[in-house]
Amino acid sequence: AQTVTQSQPEMSVQEAETVTLSCTYDTSESDYYLFWYKQPPSRQMILVIRQEAYKQQNATENRFSVNFQKAAKSFSLKISDSQLGDAAMYFCASTGPNTGNQFYFGTGTSLTVIP
Amino acid sequence: DVKVTQSSRYLVKRTGEKVFLECVQDMDHENMFWYRQDPGLGLRLIYFSYDVKMKEKGDIPEGYSVSREKKERFSLILESASTNQTSMYLCASSRQYQPQHFGDGTRLSIL
Repeated sequence: AQTVTQSQPEMSVQEAETVTLSCTYDTSESDYYLFWYKQPPSRQMILVIRQEAYKQQNATENRFSVNFQKAAKSFSLKISDSQLGDAAMYFCASTGPNTGNQFYFGTGTSLTVIP
Repeated sequence: DVKVTQSSRYLVKRTGEKVFLECVQDMDHENMFWYRQDPGLGLRLIYFSYDVKMKEKGDIPEGYSVSREKKERFSLILESASTNQTSMYLCASSRQYQPQHFGDGTRLSIL
């Protein structure tokens, strides 16, 4: 099994500033996949960004990027130029070939964007 | 576009009732999942299915059962609803190792 830990239940950021959400994971696998999901209030959970463990390059999607530190088992999400629409719960998740198709989710970080 | 549809956004039932939550996906995904989401606890996996008529227990299967008679449909059943099953229920589907796609969720209240 894998475990995913998000140690920041709540975070806040000023509009237009940068914020980093932390995620650590524990796995004995060499091949796995990591994801960040966003869940706006009363809205659907959507994928923000994904990272394959075998890729050294950090994934980037517009204002969202990750800092993937494989040795440290850390997978943080950086949001640049924060916007009001970024306010949401953010979940870190992992899966892999030996997880039996399961995804493992962290407990989430609630992000507030201050105008 | 990818679509996962849950039959109800809000549902109110009484203690002891048998409750059915339906989920349909239109992406021909082999994997489907039911989660329960509670504040501070994140998403907890109830059951998942990797093929028709196949099911696997997740972390909290007690008090729940599932049915997958067709590839596109995955049903969650509360055999005898109890107040501690009041929660948000999320359905998701995916291909192997690919991102999960979620439905809008069903907020279930058991009175």
